[in-house]
Amino acid sequence: DAKTTQPTSMDCAEGRAANLPCNHSTISGNEYVYWYRQIHSQGPQYIIHGLKNNETNEMASLIITEDRKSSTLILPHATLRDTAVYYCIVRVEYNFNKFYFGSGTKLNVKP
Amino acid sequence: GAVVSQHPSWVICKSGTSVKIECRSLDFQATTMFWYRQFPKQSLMLMATSNEGSKATYEQGVEKDKFLINHASLTLSTLTVTSAHPEDSSFYICSAPGAAGELFFGEGSRLTVL
Repeated sequence: DAKTTQPTSMDCAEGRAANLPCNHSTISGNEYVYWYRQIHSQGPQYIIHGLKNNETNEMASLIITEDRKSSTLILPHATLRDTAVYYCIVRVEYNFNKFYFGSGTKLNVKP
Repeated sequence: GAVVSQHPSWVICKSGTSVKIECRSLDFQATTMFWYRQFPKQSLMLMATSNEGSKATYEQGVEKDKFLINHASLTLSTLTVTSAHPEDSSFYICSAPGAAGELFFGEGSRLTVL
């Protein structure tokens, strides 16, 4: 029941910014955009989420277009440890609302 | 962020036996927890929602008698895979919602059924 589209894979050079796109053209007005990542054989890790304004935290920045139909997760200085599958999810910010995962983007950070 | 812990991390069992996986919220209370399953090279698939003090709700296609869920306290949910078979071998992951609506995930439990 995923509502997002992401590229299957991307490469990024170590130390450079990684920009991961996500399309969510059917997003509703009360749905937030969440980003998670999953390093091999681990549980997913929360990165960031936002509604319509750009957001930044210690891990990443989230840029949401004005029409909210797409967003970009930015890892400013990618390291080898950022190699993972990145998932973009849209959902209502409600405590008991479910998260459905799409196929995500495999980010390969290369030396 | 909040911490969710799963046990065991790895379990190997014989076909036909049952396996219990525990999921604990360590520093917060969780009236709801979610259980996911992940096969190799696939995404996470939501299996069920665990509700403290009431019955779990299952996603379409998930057998409730096969995957028993108990949420006996505000910090513990358990998933029991009954009469496990090799096709049940998978990575099982639990999660609990935080105060800001984000989900916190456990480390996952890898089940191998021989």
